[in-house]
Amino acid sequence: QQPVQSPQAVILREGEDAVINCSSSKALYSVHWYRQKHGEAPVFLMILLKGGEQKGHDKISASFNEKKQQSSLYLTASQLSYSGTYFCGIQRSGSQGNLIFGKGTKLSVKP
Amino acid sequence: DGGITQSPKYLFRKEGQNVTLSCEQNLNHDAMYWYRQDPGQGLRLIYYSQIVNDFQKGDIAEGYSVSREKKESFPLTVTSAQKNPTAFYLCASSIVPANIQYFGAGTRLSVL
Repeated sequence: QQPVQSPQAVILREGEDAVINCSSSKALYSVHWYRQKHGEAPVFLMILLKGGEQKGHDKISASFNEKKQQSSLYLTASQLSYSGTYFCGIQRSGSQGNLIFGKGTKLSVKP
Repeated sequence: DGGITQSPKYLFRKEGQNVTLSCEQNLNHDAMYWYRQDPGQGLRLIYYSQIVNDFQKGDIAEGYSVSREKKESFPLTVTSAQKNPTAFYLCASSIVPANIQYFGAGTRLSVL
């Protein structure tokens, strides 16, 4: 089953923070985060592995809660360039390695 | 520059027609994937291939076919059996399965 992402959409002002969640009903091995701008290809942001540490890149970071089978993406002091749709892709424990993507969270950052 | 090239960017299909979407990569990746994207649905896996001359069905393979005769190429054919083909199609590749996926720019398919 697809992971559940929340919220479905969020509107921010520049400089505000946001959290996007990705939850699975089954045990996870890894979670990937991608961002897609309108009409473009998704671009990889980061990968979190089971037992791994919280990752971060600039003002975007993510965590992986194994007990809850959930990952959260944190966007701090958002910039206009953060606008787009964010997808999580999960790899379940014991799977052959393909990712199952969520339906996405649309983030709009306004001036 | 290494990357994934999808062509054409826009494609129109007539009733009863088969059409083929091209996907070529020069990243030397073993694994390749085809996804379909509909508004609000995320990315749904159509087919994937982990090695040349081998491929498996994804979640929505009905009405589609693929081949993997070369490591660099993974074309997708949308057959006349696919009754609702209008969507954005994305091809991706990764070094090995479950590693970082790199996506092409996509092909938007519409029905005339």
